Amino acid sequence: DAKTTQPNSMESNEEEPVHLPCNHSTISGTDYIHWYRQLPSQGPEYVIHGLTSNVNNRMASLAIAEDRKSSTLILHRATLRDAAVYYCILRDGVAGSYQLTFGKGTKLSVIP
Amino acid sequence: NAGVTQTPKFRILKIGQSMTLQCTQDMNHNYMYWYRQDPGMGLKLIYYSVGAGITDKGEVPNGYNVSRSTTEDFPLRLELAAPSQTSVYFCASSYSGVISGNTIYFGEGSWLTVV
Repeated sequence: DAKTTQPNSMESNEEEPVHLPCNHSTISGTDYIHWYRQLPSQGPEYVIHGLTSNVNNRMASLAIAEDRKSSTLILHRATLRDAAVYYCILRDGVAGSYQLTFGKGTKLSVIP
Repeated sequence: NAGVTQTPKFRILKIGQSMTLQCTQDMNHNYMYWYRQDPGMGLKLIYYSVGAGITDKGEVPNGYNVSRSTTEDFPLRLELAAPSQTSVYFCASSYSGVISGNTIYFGEGSWLTVV
């Protein structure tokens, strides 16, 4: 399986932008890049996903490097509610397998 | 807005006991999953199902069993509970496999302690 590397933790001040990096140097050509986040004591929730082009939605933006070996999740204005563990995940490449493989993610702390 | 519903939310089991974690979804999703999450760790896939009557093992299936008799329900059975099964369990579903990028929806989790 293609793996991802994320920093263990990051801090941000409230109402400032946050850039969460993810390295995935062994990504294959058809792997989608997914981001999920997990608020304390809750199940993970979908944030955004992309393949090659940058993507925007109401929650965040996803910037994908041209060589696809890294990506960055951008929260434009961090709020206290954005304090969570953020997971960068690649689609499992095993034929017939449909699961997402979660690492430890990045724990984002938001300072008021 | 029910989505994915898991029961029970909390349970304490004695070593050797058995129990079933219930999971139901009302989104008519084909794919369902069971994950476990140990403290400070990411999620690990236990079992998954691509449709009624079809199940397959994930990364950590030992000590668990599943069934999928309907599209809506995907119960997880723990036989002979062991302390190593103390964890938080998440059920999830998606319209199709995530190969196409489809979103996975998670339940709120079931906290299980085996003593």
